[in-house]
Amino acid sequence: GAGVSQSPSNKVTEKGKDVELRCDPISGHTALYWYRQSLGQGLEFLIYFQGNSAPDKSGLPSDRFSAERTGGSVSTLTIQRTQQEDSAVYLCASSLSGGAAETQYFGPGTRLLVL
Amino acid sequence: GQQLNQSPQSMFIQEGEDVSMNCTSSSIFNTWLWYKQDPGEGPVLLIALYKAGELTSNGRLTAQFGITRKDSFLNISASIPSDVGIYFCAGQSSTQGGSEKLVFGKGTKLTVNP
Repeated sequence: GAGVSQSPSNKVTEKGKDVELRCDPISGHTALYWYRQSLGQGLEFLIYFQGNSAPDKSGLPSDRFSAERTGGSVSTLTIQRTQQEDSAVYLCASSLSGGAAETQYFGPGTRLLVL
Repeated sequence: GQQLNQSPQSMFIQEGEDVSMNCTSSSIFNTWLWYKQDPGEGPVLLIALYKAGELTSNGRLTAQFGITRKDSFLNISASIPSDVGIYFCAGQSSTQGGSEKLVFGKGTKLTVNP
């Protein structure tokens, strides 16, 4: 596709369950970012990938959060033992090479609700 | 950590009016960005500012990068109904591992009454 895609678009889960969120960046983009947007808040940075490596994981809120990227393309964000405070919109963005002043293109997000 | 203070939180205006919103930060950023987010969508870039003092226009949008590199404003002239949405400012600076992560304000929700 032409843009960043994410799946699922919505996810409802029970507290304590694990969830996996998927991001397909724009083809050829080596830089990939995950952000979290809580209700009424701005976006918070979670993790940055350059290729398959994650040189910046500084935004991950706890060790229940992890992410990986394979083949320099698809990325998966995993939340283990979900808590109600994990409810948010999880947004993925990609840019061409991660350089300064490059536009980050966002996907539509995955809306996660933890009951 | 880095934080951006964005104001106002919300605005209710009549179609045709001009709008102004701004962001301030305690930290210096190399780049300031303004995004718009529609319901159910991801943010879309409106304007990017790369130099302190820079004033940039994109149609009815005008934005400026403050001289101190710690603030920016966005103006929308002659608002129309499709301007409705949430506007976010974002600062960008090179950090850990070469990450060009964005730091976002909390957004300005704009409502335009026809």
